[in-house]
Amino acid sequence: RKEVEQDPGPFNVPEGATVAFNCTYSNSASQSFFWYRQDCRKEPKLLMSVYSSGNEDGRFTAQLNRASQYISLLIRDSKLSDSATYLCVVGSTDSWGKLQFGAGTQVVVTP
Amino acid sequence: NAGVTQTPKFRVLKTGQSMTLLCAQDMNHEYMYWYRQDPGMGLRLIHYSVGEGTTAKGEVPDGYNVSRLKKQNFLLGLESAAPSQTSVYFCASSPLLYEQYFGPGTRLTVT
Repeated sequence: RKEVEQDPGPFNVPEGATVAFNCTYSNSASQSFFWYRQDCRKEPKLLMSVYSSGNEDGRFTAQLNRASQYISLLIRDSKLSDSATYLCVVGSTDSWGKLQFGAGTQVVVTP
Repeated sequence: NAGVTQTPKFRVLKTGQSMTLLCAQDMNHEYMYWYRQDPGMGLRLIHYSVGEGTTAKGEVPDGYNVSRLKKQNFLLGLESAAPSQTSVYFCASSPLLYEQYFGPGTRLTVT
């Protein structure tokens, strides 16, 4: 079983619509959570960290549910430039300094 | 700042050949990482380093060696390339335990 699992998509989203997707993690010792964005054939870039209380960064909202061991990302008012693969990333205290990456969820925003 | 750079960007090797991938960062980060990314899979950690002169194995270290003689450089070596090592290789560096900054990647094909 993969430590971090994501729906690969693609999620086809009309411009201006809202899209949300989840990521589940299996390690209960996980302490740090992130969403990274990866454009086609480019390097991953940090989109946002995910805090226990949930957090928002402009049109992006991230939530953490420790009881069910998943995190979510919601994108409001989708833009064409939001088309990318979103990587769920988890760090845990029992794998010091190392991150576990999900395979990514592809989002395609259409005009 | 150039951030994290990787050399070369592309390479084609024949089975059994050797090569070294160079990663350089100018952000004075302590931690550096080498990942490989294959279709449908998350980034997998090959080796990492928590400081100059130190290296450690990650999730998929077999067939690779690394060295960190200078803080700013992290080298990944393939001693005898195999077709299974065809992949995109990303280097990352981090000032903290978890937030990572990635290089642009090296696309390696082994025939």
